[in-house]
Parts: sequence; C-alpha cells; structure tokens
Amino acid sequence: NAGVIQTPRHKVTGKGQEATLWCEPISGHSAVFWYRQTIVQGLEFLTYFRNQAPIDDSGMPKERFSAQMPNQSHSTLKIQSTQPQDSAVYLCASSLVDGTQYFGPGTRLLVL
Amino acid sequence: GQQVQQSPASLVLQEGENAELQCNFSSTATQLQWFYQRPGGSLVSLLYNPSGTKHTGRLTSTTVTKERRSSLHISSSQITDSGTYFCAMDLNNNRIFFGDGTQLVVKP
Repeated sequence: NAGVIQTPRHKVTGKGQEATLWCEPISGHSAVFWYRQTIVQGLEFLTYFRNQAPIDDSGMPKERFSAQMPNQSHSTLKIQSTQPQDSAVYLCASSLVDGTQYFGPGTRLLVL
Repeated sequence: GQQVQQSPASLVLQEGENAELQCNFSSTATQLQWFYQRPGGSLVSLLYNPSGTKHTGRLTSTTVTKERRSSLHISSSQITDSGTYFCAMDLNNNRIFFGDGTQLVVKP
C-alpha cells in the first residue's frame, strides 16, 4: 500500500497563473479530503468528497478554487489566477467511511 | 470561534520524561484523532480515539466525550518524539477541525 500520493511535491507559479494539484487516495477508501497548512492559519479544511460526490466545500475560497473527483482513483484541486496568499502546503487525505484519515505528503505551493 | 483548543502550546522535556497534551473541543465530536507532524513532514495519524482510552506503544489517549476533552500521554519521551502534535475532531460530517498543535521538544 503506497499510501496517499500527491503530485507534484513542490510547485512554484507566478502570480496570476493556474495551479493544479493531484491526489491519489488509498485504494478502497471512499472519502477524500483537501486541507491546506500555513504557519499563520494552521491547518484549514477546504473540501471533501465521499464516493466521488462533493459533500462539503465550505472551506474553499469561493473564487478561484475548485476541486473535482472524476473517478475513485484521483482528485484534483485547481487554483486559478494564483495569488501570493495562496502559498501553502496543500494536503490530501483519504479514509474509509467514518474512519481514520490518512494524509499524503502534501504539495508545497509557492506563488511568486 | 475556535473549535479545538490545545494546551500547552509548547513543551520542552528531558529525554525520559513523560508528556501530557490536552485537547478541548467546543462541540460534541464524533471522531477524535491525534496526529504527529515532524517539521516539514506530513501528518501521521497516531491514535483514533472518539471515546475511552486507547494505547499504542508509549502513547495513551483518553477521551471523555461528555466533557469535550481528550489527552495524549507520551511516556518515556525520546528525542525522536520531537515535533508538533495535533488534535483533530469532526462534527459528524467528516469535516475535521484541527487545533493549533503542541510543539514538543525533547532534549538529550
């Protein structure tokens, strides 16, 4: 079991560019979560899917951020027109229903 | 308001000492999890403990749901235990709220 896989591990973008982050959950896990972590804000929930359906996206900034889960093997988080304040470590986690969440290594996004 | 509050914010121990980390949450949690993170590292699940007492290795977690609190006890701390410990809970919808963490430093 490879655990949750996130790619890329590091991404540097210029202000205004688009960034797409990928997550491959643990096989068989039905729930996928996205978080971001910064020194100032700590760990923040963004959104989550259960059986590929979006359940709660209340943590997502309303503009520029979107997440999808087109199939059970991957989810994407897209940030349009990136801004310096989007710089963070973006973490993906997966779990069985009502179970322990297992986190990926994160994608460190730096917006210049 | 802050859903999850952790204390202390930081803790410095000598190797071999025990550590007691506290977590208080503002609502009734259906899931309570303790995580560990090394600087620059990812989150590692330590214990999933929505209620009662659970052990793994040198770690013991006790969650008293009615009192909305959980603790993590680390016995015989080691230098490699240094890092940040997060308490996280959900509100019955799988969305997790994290505390700000307790930064533990274990010195030789």
